[in-house]
Amino acid sequence: DIQMTQSPSLLSASVGDRVTLNCKASQNIYKNLAWYQQKLGEAPKLLIYNANSLQTGIPSRFSGSGSGTDFTITISSLQPEDVATYFCQQYYSGWTFGGGTKLELK
Amino acid sequence: QVQLKETGPGLVQPTQTLSITCTVSGFSLTSYYIQWIRQTPGKGLEWMGFIRSGGSTEYNSEFKSRLSISRDTSKNQVFLKMNSLKTEDTGVYYCARAAGSFDSWGQGVMVTVSS
Repeated sequence: DIQMTQSPSLLSASVGDRVTLNCKASQNIYKNLAWYQQKLGEAPKLLIYNANSLQTGIPSRFSGSGSGTDFTITISSLQPEDVATYFCQQYYSGWTFGGGTKLELK
Repeated sequence: QVQLKETGPGLVQPTQTLSITCTVSGFSLTSYYIQWIRQTPGKGLEWMGFIRSGGSTEYNSEFKSRLSISRDTSKNQVFLKMNSLKTEDTGVYYCARAAGSFDSWGQGVMVTVSS
């Protein structure tokens, strides 16, 4: 089974900061990676698919990069509404989620 | 507008069977896979299984022995049944539309396994 590891588990940042979250796969998943945002009490929401494709309706301050085993999602200028937990997910072989990064305001 | 909505019991007793219905609108079950995912305090987000647009199913080996997914296309509904429930199965259960990644999710249904 492919394991997904996210870091850090908790990140505190200020409004306007550039924020980067990391995700590492236990084996090569090429670009079969998605990022989701989950706000408290809500279902996860797809932000990025195929590692770097922005889902329709998602603000352009979100971007994804990487391939193989190492991936990142970047928020270019953090907004208050971005406070949430972010999950990566591989879909190269089955589907596996990372443990999440909780993003809070400093 | 694509929508998915899960309905099910809030409380299930240990050893009993969980039944959840996912009702979809805005798209056809014969065109998309429907996935089931759960989120538990112990294991986070876990993929459980899916039903293909053609009606065949696949399950996570973690649940394979006690999970069943089926559908009624005339009612735009997908069904999850999982037996032999344990307290560790407590969590939020989601259905989602899938094309690789999961592009639309239901709101989820909270299930508590307790006597």
